[in-house]
Amino acid sequence: DAGVIQSPRHEVTEMGQEVTLRCKPISGHNSLFWYRQTMMRGLELLIYFNNNVPIDDSGMPEDRFSAKMPNASFSTLKIQPSEPRDSAVYFCASSPGLAGVETQYFGPGTRLLVL
Amino acid sequence: AQKITQTQPGMFVQEKEAVTLDCTYDTSDPSYGLFWYKQPSSGEMIFLIYQGSYDQQNATEGRYSLNFQKARKSANLVISASQLGDSAMYFCAMREPGTGRRALTFGSGTRLQVQP
Repeated sequence: DAGVIQSPRHEVTEMGQEVTLRCKPISGHNSLFWYRQTMMRGLELLIYFNNNVPIDDSGMPEDRFSAKMPNASFSTLKIQPSEPRDSAVYFCASSPGLAGVETQYFGPGTRLLVL
Repeated sequence: AQKITQTQPGMFVQEKEAVTLDCTYDTSDPSYGLFWYKQPSSGEMIFLIYQGSYDQQNATEGRYSLNFQKARKSANLVISASQLGDSAMYFCAMREPGTGRRALTFGSGTRLQVQP
């Protein structure tokens, strides 16, 4: 079975440009999470969805970040405009969303570099 | 206060020996889950093992076992018979569903290096 799919795997862009990261969760999983990993802050939650509805976006840094989940098989994380401090690895993870079965499976990540 | 504490930034172990990676946690939620993930140099996050707060037995998955000491709020990962491929960052994480927070809170990680 395919795991969580993320694209692109690497992105280099210039400050001020719009960046869109994409994620396809594991089929049948009801919960989707976006995390960011930096050396300074480690792994931190940005936002998560349950049944396509955003539940907790308290980790979204500021209005420059937005996330959508238009259907159960696709989510995007958009940064507009991007800044050098957004450089990080962005992970998408999904879980079945069932009580007692909450293991999150991570995608390979998108390594973003904003110049 | 830190929710998840991993006090060992780096560890060395000889191939074929066992190693314990420490993790302590802080929660007031009586129902919680503890996870360990491995992140090799290639960058992906690989799920290793899960322990629920109500589980009576320590979790085991192949060469991985979780030494769960609830009263001490510790959830140490034990890797038996270390292999060179075990060299990676290891993250302990917690989920606290009673708080309504289904996302994971991660520790800062431990970098394990297995020496031949």
